[in-house]
Parts: sequence; C-alpha cells; structure tokens
Amino acid sequence: GAGVSQSPSNKVTEKGKDVELRCDPISGHTALYWYRQSLGQGLEFLIYFQGNSAPDKSGLPSDRFSAERTGGSVSTLTIQRTQQEDSAVYLCASSLRGQLGYTFGSGTRLTVV
Amino acid sequence: RKEVEQDPGPFNVPEGATVAFNCTYSNSASQSFFWYRQDCRKEPKLLMSVYSSGNEDGRFTAQLNRASQYISLLIRDSKLSDSATYLCVVMGATGGGNKLTFGTGTQLKVEL
Repeated sequence: GAGVSQSPSNKVTEKGKDVELRCDPISGHTALYWYRQSLGQGLEFLIYFQGNSAPDKSGLPSDRFSAERTGGSVSTLTIQRTQQEDSAVYLCASSLRGQLGYTFGSGTRLTVV
Repeated sequence: RKEVEQDPGPFNVPEGATVAFNCTYSNSASQSFFWYRQDCRKEPKLLMSVYSSGNEDGRFTAQLNRASQYISLLIRDSKLSDSATYLCVVMGATGGGNKLTFGTGTQLKVEL
C-alpha cells in the first residue's frame, strides 16, 4: 500500500483480556518497528524486525507482550492479560533496509478499562 | 543519563521568529540522526536527516556535532503551521543496531 496501515485505529478492552494489533507495512519494506507512546510521553521502543533475522525484542516490557511477522510482511503485536498501564498508542513503522526514512502508521489507541 | 535528551519546552515564539532546538545523546557510537515532527494526536513524520556537514531544507537547518554529541534544529521565519512537537531521534543509541531511540520532544507554539 501507499503507507503503513494499522488496525484497529482504536481499541477499548477490559482488563485481563488479550488484544491483537495489526501492522501492514509499506510493500517491500524489510524493516518493521513497534513503538508505544503513553499520553504526554516519548516513544518507547518495543520490538524490531529486519528481514529474516531474529527480531530484537529487547524493548518488550513483559512476557505478556509478543509480536510476530509472517512472510516478512504483516506484523501482529499481541498483549495478553491486558493491564491498565498498557493503555497507550501503539505505533508501527517500516523502512527499506539501508534507507534512513522510517514511515509510521497512524497507530492503534489502546484503552484498557 | 537519558539516551537522548531534549528540552521539553514549550517554546512560544511569534510568527516570523527564528527558533533553535538542541538535543544531546549519550552513546558516542550512534550512527544516524534525525528530526521528526509530531502533531497533536498524530504519528511522527520524518522532517529531516542530520549530517555531520550540516544540512538545510528550506527554512530548516540541522547540524550535528559528534565531538559534543549534540544535534540542533534551526527554524527560520517560523509559521503558525510549524507548531508541533519536534522529536530528536538517534539510531544505534543503545549498543548499536538499527533501533531508533526518540527524545521526549520539544514543543513549539508559533503565535500571531
């Protein structure tokens, strides 16, 4: 597609439920990042995929968070047993390997009630 | 010390003013540097990359000082539409690799 697409754009879930967030990167982009941004805060790195290499999961805050990228394209970020502190905007970005421009999707606003 | 530090502002300036933002980073091995712009409740968008030789794009000038580990952004003849949060971004800030590390941003408000 023309840009990075994320779905859903908004998600309200009850504490303790699992959620799946989807990112569809720009076609051909080999690098994919997940970040989250809490209200009034900076962007917090979560996970990075580059081609077929093992992902850099160093930013995942707990084992309730996991992500996968199937076929080198679409990625899903899964949060199990959601907590209120998980409420944030989850942003996905992609880029071509070796290129320095990262394009962000418009994010998924997650609210845990 | 934070990996990437910025003055949060806000910087309130009149239209037409020149304003400068600075950013410092902690890892001397950092590889690439950028300025992103983020409007309220929107995703960040790449404003410009920052090169050692300095680079200019219209009213915007970015500079990198590797010896002092700081990056600057200068906006000349500021417009109302420049009002946004400006994010300093460093690649390879923590142990190398292609991870982007974002500063918390500097808020700019351009007023009539």
